[in-house]
Amino acid sequence: DIQMTQSPSSLSASVGDRVTITCRASQGISNSLAWYQQKPGKAPKLLLYAASRLESGVPSRFSGSGSGTDYTLTISSLQPEDFATYYCQQYYSTLLTFGGGTKVEIK
Amino acid sequence: EVQLVQSGAEVKKPGESLKISCKGSGYSFTSYWIGWVRQMPGKGLEWMGIIYPGDSDTRYSPSFQGQVTISADKSISTAYLQWSSLKASDTAMYYCVRHKPYSYGDYWGQGTLVTVSS
Repeated sequence: DIQMTQSPSSLSASVGDRVTITCRASQGISNSLAWYQQKPGKAPKLLLYAASRLESGVPSRFSGSGSGTDYTLTISSLQPEDFATYYCQQYYSTLLTFGGGTKVEIK
Repeated sequence: EVQLVQSGAEVKKPGESLKISCKGSGYSFTSYWIGWVRQMPGKGLEWMGIIYPGDSDTRYSPSFQGQVTISADKSISTAYLQWSSLKASDTAMYYCVRHKPYSYGDYWGQGTLVTVSS
């Protein structure tokens, strides 16, 4: 199965900061990548799919990029409601896999 | 409105069996896959497997193959995750997720907390 490596595993940032999270696949996944946000005690929520397509209703400060094996989630200006854990997931293979998660904490 | 509603929290003893459910509504249940995701306490998301209710085609993560069974009853728009013999290490939150065919998950259930303790 395809392994997904996310970095960093956690970060501290301030409101207004630009935040970047990286996800690396063990093989090329042709932009078949989704990003999810999970807040404590809640189910994850889809943010982006196809590496860079914003899900309906998701603020435009979230963006995604990448190709091949390397992908990035960027939050252009961190807001208080963005403090959460973020996960990438590849769906290139029929056996889907998640990255280990990145916890975004308040500095 | 698309909804996935999962069954309630369970407390079981090691060795007991369990079947939890996920009922879909607001869409054509047989046109989307339903996946299951485990989240152990304080840990990340783990993809367990997926089923296509239209024909019951089922795929399992190698980590979960043989440990759980995923099934669906399309007549009542419900998917299931079951264990024949629970272990303490099965204690976790379990989520069902709707997937477009061979694609990402767009709607999640609210989660079912399974606690296995003697």
